Amino acid sequence: SQQGEEDPQALSIQEGENATMNCSYKTSINNLQWYRQNSGRGLVHLILIRSNEREKHSGRLRVTLDTSKKSSSLLITASRAADTASYFCATGAIIQGAQKLVFGQGTRLTINP
Amino acid sequence: GAGVSQSPRYKVAKRGQDVALRCDPISGHVSLFWYQQALGQGPEFLTYFQNEAQLDKSGLPSDRFFAERPEGSVSTLKIQRTQQEDSAVYLCASSSPRGINSPLHFGNGTRLTVT
Repeated sequence: SQQGEEDPQALSIQEGENATMNCSYKTSINNLQWYRQNSGRGLVHLILIRSNEREKHSGRLRVTLDTSKKSSSLLITASRAADTASYFCATGAIIQGAQKLVFGQGTRLTINP
Repeated sequence: GAGVSQSPRYKVAKRGQDVALRCDPISGHVSLFWYQQALGQGPEFLTYFQNEAQLDKSGLPSDRFFAERPEGSVSTLKIQRTQQEDSAVYLCASSSPRGINSPLHFGNGTRLTVT
């Protein structure tokens, strides 16, 4: 079963606009990670935010984490056609001594040129 | 190698056949994960290894699924008596010894189609 719920399920915007994707989760976490997946490929790690952090930046990416609301958001600024992909949030935790990374259902992002 | 390698890239099996999917993680990566991804869905956790020890197999859907990593490097996911509902992409990922705050590095997956 999947921990995270992502919103929206699909997002289509014009090139140059900003894209915001949201993720909510249910249990305690050590970190929250965002991954990107192009069609027919594996997932690529984008950014990790620890549970004691509130905001993190990496290039055109900005991630926020609100542990009181159990939610996170990923903002991609100045979007490009090459950003078209599916984006997944994943919660990381140690459960019974084992690492566990649980993914959400993903947001399909389409950037129109 | 540069990244996680999975083989075969595509596998077609007739219902009832056994299949074996291979994963070569990044050299030196202690942790190895298997995920199952249905079309249009997020990856679902199957099992986790730390070196050769299988610490969590709670996600394996039935006793037809079996994973091993005998020498703590290459891993094999075996599915016995395949069923149509086993059709999916099977993703392998590894991470460095930095523990829970290490990102996962994924292979491109094996797409299994059971006919």
